[in-house]
Amino acid sequence: EAEVAQSPRYKITEKSQAVAFWCDPISGHATLYWYRQILGQGPELLVQFQDESVVDDSQLPKDRFSAERLKGVDSTLKIQPAELGDSAMYLCASSLGPAGGIQYFGAGTRLSVL
Amino acid sequence: GIQVEQSPPDLILQEGANSTLRCNFSDSVNNLQWFHQNPWGQLINLFYIPSGTKQNGRLSATTVATERYSLLYISSSQTTDSGVYFCAVGDNNDMRFGAGTRLTVKP
Repeated sequence: EAEVAQSPRYKITEKSQAVAFWCDPISGHATLYWYRQILGQGPELLVQFQDESVVDDSQLPKDRFSAERLKGVDSTLKIQPAELGDSAMYLCASSLGPAGGIQYFGAGTRLSVL
Repeated sequence: GIQVEQSPPDLILQEGANSTLRCNFSDSVNNLQWFHQNPWGQLINLFYIPSGTKQNGRLSATTVATERYSLLYISSSQTTDSGVYFCAVGDNNDMRFGAGTRLTVKP
């Protein structure tokens, strides 16, 4: 069964360092999402791609976060510099259609900033 | 943006019991999904249900879009049903998750 792949599963970093997360969506899925989930809360959308274009990044802290999906397939989310408050689970999801529809999630990357 | 409220926040059941989880939302939507997050953090899509009723085994869901709520029914609960259940609503470009219902099923 096709899955959304994410790596790494866990990341520990020190404050002010740079971190990067990778996501490979289900093959053929045009829409890719990055979410952040703080412990005890629901996921919050950071950025949404339609193919290689950003559809929504209104909740992305652009002073330190960046995201790209250069060839419209896999995607990278970067944080530079990391802050203590960035400790969270970072989830990637994909969906088949141009927007919306059923979202399939990866296993996530759990980030701890020390 | 759309407000999403889930209730109850916590639910403890004995194995074999039935339960109903509720999701209220503040505006009309064309996308509503229910997810189960297991203890390892994996989110699994249970239903895509912007309106109507669907069933999948012991789980079923109903969305009454005109009254802005959705219900998730779990029958004959099992310990493996434990975890957090999330409702996510919105339109194509703005999905909002509720705070979730944490379900614990005791053997």
